[in-house]
Amino acid sequence: DARVTQTPRHKVTEMGQEVTMRCQPILGHNTVFWYRQTMMQGLELLAYFRNRAPLDDSGMPKDRFSAEMPDATLATLKIQPSEPRDSAVYFCASGFYPGTGNTEAFFGQGTRLTVV
Amino acid sequence: AQSVAQPEDQVNVAEGNPLTVKCTYSVSGNPYLFWYVQYPNRGLQFLLKYITGDNLVKGSYGFEAEFNKSQTSFHLKKPSALVSDSALYFCAVRDPAGNTPLVFGKGTRLSVIA
Repeated sequence: DARVTQTPRHKVTEMGQEVTMRCQPILGHNTVFWYRQTMMQGLELLAYFRNRAPLDDSGMPKDRFSAEMPDATLATLKIQPSEPRDSAVYFCASGFYPGTGNTEAFFGQGTRLTVV
Repeated sequence: AQSVAQPEDQVNVAEGNPLTVKCTYSVSGNPYLFWYVQYPNRGLQFLLKYITGDNLVKGSYGFEAEFNKSQTSFHLKKPSALVSDSALYFCAVRDPAGNTPLVFGKGTRLSVIA
């Protein structure tokens, strides 16, 4: 059963520490998304990649967030330094978009980040 | 820019009654529309999508949605609600004209009462 895998599932860290979240997209998917979910803002798109190239990261605070795809099986989202306002659930999703993009995105279970 | 509105934060329905979760969208051109469901401490699960063709789309767990172009709506429906349908429901839209990702509404919490 193909699925998007995210690690860790939960992370508690102190303010100022670096946080790295990892995502393994579904094999064969060419597009990877990072979303953040909070009670106040709902689901916000942070960044997304197609064929490992970043297409849009305008949703990320550039001074502290970075997203990369070192290879086709791994996407990372890094926060340095972390702040309490970064506390949220971070979702990775993947899909295959052959130009028209009429397919759905598949979501991982999320990483619940708490910054104290 | 594309956007989605889910006008209700919360919908309560008795078990066995029909349910409707509302969604309206704004996009230039013909939209791709999606519904997802999120159970507690889980990721979003795909329910159904409208790309083209029949305006009534059937999806998982007995859910269906009706695309109405004149009203720019894509309401989610189910003829008979189950307690296990209680969850957070998200409508999403994508403009097929460009390399744009899914844009989600704020979500509607559905509570089915036994």
